[in-house]
Amino acid sequence: AQSVAQPEDQVNVAEGNPLTVKCTYSVSGNPYLFWYVQYPNRGLQFLLKYITGDNLVKGSYGFEAEFNKSQTSFHLKKPSALVSDSALYFCAVRDPVRESARQLTFGSGTQLTVLP
Amino acid sequence: EAGVVQSPRYKIIEKKQPVAFWCNPISGHNTLYWYRQNLGQGPELLIRYENEEAVDDSQLPKDRFSAERLKGVDSTLKIQPAELGDSAVYLCASSSGTSTAETQYFGPGTRLLVL
Repeated sequence: AQSVAQPEDQVNVAEGNPLTVKCTYSVSGNPYLFWYVQYPNRGLQFLLKYITGDNLVKGSYGFEAEFNKSQTSFHLKKPSALVSDSALYFCAVRDPVRESARQLTFGSGTQLTVLP
Repeated sequence: EAGVVQSPRYKIIEKKQPVAFWCNPISGHNTLYWYRQNLGQGPELLIRYENEEAVDDSQLPKDRFSAERLKGVDSTLKIQPAELGDSAVYLCASSSGTSTAETQYFGPGTRLLVL
């Protein structure tokens, strides 16, 4: 079965500093990986995804993520955090081998707080 | 382009009452998903439609939950009767194709509180 772990419930970072939100996954084959952000009382907003190719994926709002197969990780990063980046971040995985499932499995989320 | 639309945004009901949620996906998106998000957790899939066919409903509690997607566009998710444990945010998402690489786009959700 596929699974995702976000080991940190809460990440605090000062504005202007780099940020990292961690994600590790478990699937039987090569994964499809996604990051979403959720603002209060809003739905999930797509940030970026890794399907194949370059391990460094660039997404919306200056975010990027690096796929590391040996460490089964897909950490979300941004060089310089903004107060407006404060939100709940979800990592998700899909196992493309299990075509019949096609289910996105989400982590439990990491609350990012950027301090002014 | 309009995003996924859901209504109502909030619903408060007493236990044992019925409730229904409505979703209008992004125009042209053939695949529609219903998720449930409990407080402090990530979303969990309830049911997936490809056009009007429910192709994955293995995690839908069929004793009290039902869903339909008539004409392959709008969808309705119903709970009857609601229980206290059904309090959650119900999210609808859609995607444009059948590839597993497709991005799912989410609506704002319906926050349900069962008293």
